[in-house]
Amino acid sequence: AQSVTQLGSHVSVSEGALVLLRCNYSSSVPPYLFWYVQYPNQGLQLLLKYTTGATLVKGINGFEAEFKKSETSFHLTKPSAHMSDAAEYFCAVSAGSGGYNKLIFGAGTRLAVHP
Amino acid sequence: DVKVTQSSRYLVKRTGEKVFLECVQDMDHENMFWYRQDPGLGLRLIYFSYDVKMKEKGDIPEGYSVSREKKERFSLILESASTNQTSMYLCASSSGHRKRALNQPQHFGDGTRLSIL
Repeated sequence: AQSVTQLGSHVSVSEGALVLLRCNYSSSVPPYLFWYVQYPNQGLQLLLKYTTGATLVKGINGFEAEFKKSETSFHLTKPSAHMSDAAEYFCAVSAGSGGYNKLIFGAGTRLAVHP
Repeated sequence: DVKVTQSSRYLVKRTGEKVFLECVQDMDHENMFWYRQDPGLGLRLIYFSYDVKMKEKGDIPEGYSVSREKKERFSLILESASTNQTSMYLCASSSGHRKRALNQPQHFGDGTRLSIL
């Protein structure tokens, strides 16, 4: 069965600093992986996804993630944090159970950006 | 652009009431989903539907039912609301049929924050 672990429920960085949000997954089949962002009082917005091909995936708002099969990881990074990046971030794996498009989500990481 | 609309942003109901949460998508997507979101638990799947009139249980279906009479609309029903169903409810949709949908992202509505008193 697939599962997702996000290390660190809260991460705090200074404006301009590197953002690193960690995600590890388990999957018995080649995974499809997603990162979503949730701003206060809103739904989830897709940041980026990995399906096949290039392991370094670029998303919106300057974020990127690297799929590392050997480490079963899909960490999210951004070189320079902006105040507007403060939000909750969710990593998800496509479960594909029974052939259906089900997503398994991590518990989320809340990112705080301080001046 | 993709649009998933949930009928209410905030809702307050009493225990024992029958509660309806409505979701409409305008992308002609085959798949629709209902999640609940609680602090520290992430999103948990309640029910999903991959076609009109079809439904599948998710991870936490107890106390809920769903209805999908039209492709664009997916309703979540709390048969007899209880205080432990106070939560944020999120609807999502995705394209593709079964295995062809596995690499498709889900598109989310803004959520309904439901309080059961």
